[in-house]
Amino acid sequence: DAGVTQSPTHLIKTRGQQVTLRCSPKSGHDTVSWYQQALGQGPQFIFQYYEEEERQRGNFPDRFSGHQFPNYSSELNVNALLLGDSALYLCASSPAPQTRKTQYFGPGTRLLVL
Amino acid sequence: DQQVKQNSPSLSVQEGRISILNCDYTNSMFDYFLWYKKYPAEGPTFLISISSIKDKNEDGRFTVFLNKSAKHLSLHIVPSQPGDSAVYFCAASAVGNQFYFGTGTSLTVIP
Repeated sequence: DAGVTQSPTHLIKTRGQQVTLRCSPKSGHDTVSWYQQALGQGPQFIFQYYEEEERQRGNFPDRFSGHQFPNYSSELNVNALLLGDSALYLCASSPAPQTRKTQYFGPGTRLLVL
Repeated sequence: DQQVKQNSPSLSVQEGRISILNCDYTNSMFDYFLWYKKYPAEGPTFLISISSIKDKNEDGRFTVFLNKSAKHLSLHIVPSQPGDSAVYFCAASAVGNQFYFGTGTSLTVIP
């Protein structure tokens, strides 16, 4: 049973560019959340998708957007990249939007913006 | 606005001894708390949780204590093992809301 998978594992972009990160949830999970973990910080909630809609959003600008597909996989898009967007981006899946304990994380995508 | 704080960036403990990791929070609406463990190049792994209706939850070598009046929780690992060396994050949420994570404590268990 595959857990949460994310691609790519690493990415280098330059300021102003756009990036798309991908996540496949654990089998049986229909809810995907995205987090940003800057160096030396804890994960910060970006948003959560359920039934192909954004259900909750953290304190992130509109440059951060997402999408969920019918197979529950998800994308995180970041436009107009800034140096401060350099971070580890984590995807977490759960079997329902409000489930608390059973949130499984992927290994993350490390984004470097130059 | 850091609603969940882990004031000790690192902790070193001898194998077999107790490890105590601390976490403080500011939002009195938080009613569910979790601890995650993270190894390098892996995502955080759920370790143990506690609801605000309890003050203690135990799972094998891991025990989480919650002091609501002090807005403080702690994770005890007894006995500590070298494989416990990792970064530990506490997280908290209010009903229906997102999780807020602390900045993590890096635990090193010395053989």
